[in-house]
Amino acid sequence: DSGVTQTPKHLITATGQRVTLRCSPRSGDLSVYWYQQSLDQGLQFLIHYYNGEERAKGNILERFSAQQFPDLHSELNLSSLELGDSALYFCASSPSPIRVAGRSTGTDTQYFGPGTRLTVL
Amino acid sequence: AQTVTQSQPEMSVQEAETVTLSCTYDTSESNYYLFWYKQPPSRQMILVIRQEAYKQQNATENRFSVNFQKAAKSFSLKISDSQLGDTAMYFCAFFTPMYSGGGADGLTFGKGTHLIIQP
Repeated sequence: DSGVTQTPKHLITATGQRVTLRCSPRSGDLSVYWYQQSLDQGLQFLIHYYNGEERAKGNILERFSAQQFPDLHSELNLSSLELGDSALYFCASSPSPIRVAGRSTGTDTQYFGPGTRLTVL
Repeated sequence: AQTVTQSQPEMSVQEAETVTLSCTYDTSESNYYLFWYKQPPSRQMILVIRQEAYKQQNATENRFSVNFQKAAKSFSLKISDSQLGDTAMYFCAFFTPMYSGGGADGLTFGKGTHLIIQP
């Protein structure tokens, strides 16, 4: 158990609909990353939030958005769903930077949640 | 942009044998991290091993070890005394952390190697 939780585990919906995926990071982790895993595209980075602020975007569609709340949980919103959005969506969290011997460290390792399996019919 | 290449889509070995999974990457960054993640049939992503680019010493975790060749941009995973529970997809991943100034992008993954351990 990584300590990262995701809900729901499975989601089945229709084209054109909107869904929200939820992620709770490990206790104390400020960073949340979202990834999409599909047969066509493999594992792709979508977006990164750090302490409530968006830090980087990857291959995220304009129909998708995310946010991180003050309690550090994050939500990924997928709208106008298409068949091709069917995939496994992971979130991952990583520790906050710490300084050891003058060097920041601890932000590199990401711990993954169990994923949400989205099926668009 | 970084790229990660895993050239072996599938490998199959007998239980207790040693197997090596290959990974090469391309980057212009000097400070980065490399990872191997395991994804069993449950689909959970499990961290296997981590390597810091500025460390010359190869990382080891029990039966898992890496051969990190920075100049060749190669990062292979060796699994010793393989077990049935090692059957999974294995992903090589590259990461540039925030503090290095390289941005806060997520992991860049290879396409994976499906490892099958035969009884």
